[in-house]
Formats: sequence, C-alpha cells, structure tokens
Amino acid sequence: GNSVTQMEGPVTLSEEAFLTINCTYTATGYPSLFWYVQYPGEGLQLLLKATKADDKGSNKGFEATYRKETTSFHLEKGSVQVSDSAVYFCALNDYKLSFGAGTTVTVRA
Amino acid sequence: EADIYQTPRYLVIGTGKKITLECSQTMGHDKMYWYQQDPGMELHLIHYSYGVNSTEKGDLSSESTVSRIRTEHFPLTLESARPSHTSQYLCASAPGTHYNEQFFGPGTRLTVL
Repeated sequence: GNSVTQMEGPVTLSEEAFLTINCTYTATGYPSLFWYVQYPGEGLQLLLKATKADDKGSNKGFEATYRKETTSFHLEKGSVQVSDSAVYFCALNDYKLSFGAGTTVTVRA
Repeated sequence: EADIYQTPRYLVIGTGKKITLECSQTMGHDKMYWYQQDPGMELHLIHYSYGVNSTEKGDLSSESTVSRIRTEHFPLTLESARPSHTSQYLCASAPGTHYNEQFFGPGTRLTVL
C-alpha cells in the first residue's frame, strides 16, 4: 500500500538558518504530493503541492520538488523565521490521503 | 466565503456523557473525513464519506459513529465518552476528483475526565 516516511524530529534551528525536512514515499500509482503545516492549536493548512514528476511546489519561501526517480519530496526553506515554528506533514494522494508522522520544527530568535 | 467549520473548538466533559462533534463545509465537497490526532502527532483516519448516505470506517478503529445526511454536514458522535477518547479531532473535506488536497477545519480538542 501507499506510505510516507518523513524525517523524525524535533528539529530546532536558529532564525535565518536553512531548513530541510526529508520525505520519501511508496506508491503503486502516480500520486500527488503535499506538504501541510500545523501551527499550535490549529488544524492543518496546505503549504504546497506537486501533482506530477519534476513539478516544484512553492509557497511562503518553502519549496519541494517531486522526484520520481528517488521517490522523494523534500521540503526546504533558505532562511527560517520564528513564525515558521510548527509541525510539518508530508502526504500523498493516490486514492486516499496518506500522511507522514509529522516533524516538529522550532525556530529560536 | 467557502470554508470548513468545527464546533466546539474545546470540550471538557465527564465520563459516560454522549457528545456530538460538528463539522460543516460550504465548499460543496463530496468527500469528508474525520481524523484523530494527539497534539503535534501523527493523524489517524477514523471515518470518511464519499457522499450523502455513504460512510466508511478508517484505518484506526474508533468507538465513534458518523452520519452524512447532507452534503455539507458530517457530525461525529460518541455515545459514552471515556478518558481514552481524549484527543484532538480534525475534520477535512475534498472535491470528488482524485489527487486533490484535503481542506481541514480548526479541530476540536476533547478532554474526557
């Protein structure tokens, strides 16, 4: 079946540091891939998505590229801010949405 | 404005009480979902619906039940709450086509004493 494996946290960074969260997937078809973000006390918000191989999703300075050859969708941001502190979830949608376990990111001023 | 709503946002209740968590969406989506999540942790799908009068159990066994009488409404009911039901419950919806993202409500934080 489909599954998503993402980097375990927690991750603690200083402001303006570079952030990478690894995400790899297993799927039988050609899924769409997503990154969701959850701020404390809130529901999940879609951060970015990619629907086919080599697509790059981007939003709020975050980027991720759909790599079919390595079955990966790693999330990156070049310079994080305190406001980026949240839990990040990688997900794929083939016939249903499958989530990774989530990575908690804390950015210190 | 198209959105997805959940009420209440927070609920503290005693053991044995019956509760209903409400979820409504104004986007006209066919698909709706309930997830259970401990704070900041993995999401577990407990129920989903692909349309009116269609409900299915998810990957995680749950003592809760759901109904889908109207497209926009997908309430979740616990007949007799227990401390083990303490968790956050997230509702989501999605268009009927494949490969689309799900849209999430703000969640209900349930505490059973």
